[in-house]
Amino acid sequence: AQSVTQPDIHITVSEGASLELRCNYSYGATPYLFWYVQSPGQGLQLLLKYFSGDTLVQGIKGFEAEFKRSQSSFNLRKPSVHWSDAAEYFCAVGAASNRDDKIIFGKGTRLHILP
Amino acid sequence: SAVISQKPSRDICQRGTSLTIQCQVDSQVTMMFWYRQQPGQSLTLIATANQGSEATYESGFVIDKFPISRPNLTFSTLTVSNMSPEDSSIYLCSVEGGAGANRKGTDTQYFGPGTRLTVL
Repeated sequence: AQSVTQPDIHITVSEGASLELRCNYSYGATPYLFWYVQSPGQGLQLLLKYFSGDTLVQGIKGFEAEFKRSQSSFNLRKPSVHWSDAAEYFCAVGAASNRDDKIIFGKGTRLHILP
Repeated sequence: SAVISQKPSRDICQRGTSLTIQCQVDSQVTMMFWYRQQPGQSLTLIATANQGSEATYESGFVIDKFPISRPNLTFSTLTVSNMSPEDSSIYLCSVEGGAGANRKGTDTQYFGPGTRLTVL
């Protein structure tokens, strides 16, 4: 079965600074990878996803993520954060195999933005 | 992407009572999912609900505690029965969607806004 780890529980960056949120996964075959964002009091919104092809994936709100198979990672990046980016970010992994039939979510990284 | 609504958005309930949460989708979907998000935690899948069949529950969740209905392709309910303070959580429904979705629970999911439940 697949698993996902987000090593950072909290991240604080200044507005306008660059951002990288880490995500490592464990799965024996090609995974489906997702990043979701949850603003306070809201449901989850899909930022981007990787299924196959180009390993650099562009998402909404200026986010991108890079799939690195050799490192089992799918880190989320943004070149310049805005105060509205303060939220909880969840990395998730799904399975391309019929043997594993659900998405597993990481524990989340809460992003704080300093003015 | 699908537009999903949930009712109620929040509720405060007494121990021992039950609450039914509704999830409505603006399009027909095969698979609907119910998740629990306990305070400060990630999402945990409770069950998968397919129309026309009984829900499939994940380890640690049972039908007596979390009965689910799926009467048609756009609607589902989750009941939290005989509640205790440990049931205080956000409950989210989601659907699998997108063109070419593999329809087996591991594709892109779209989430409702959640129901914030507090049990006293």
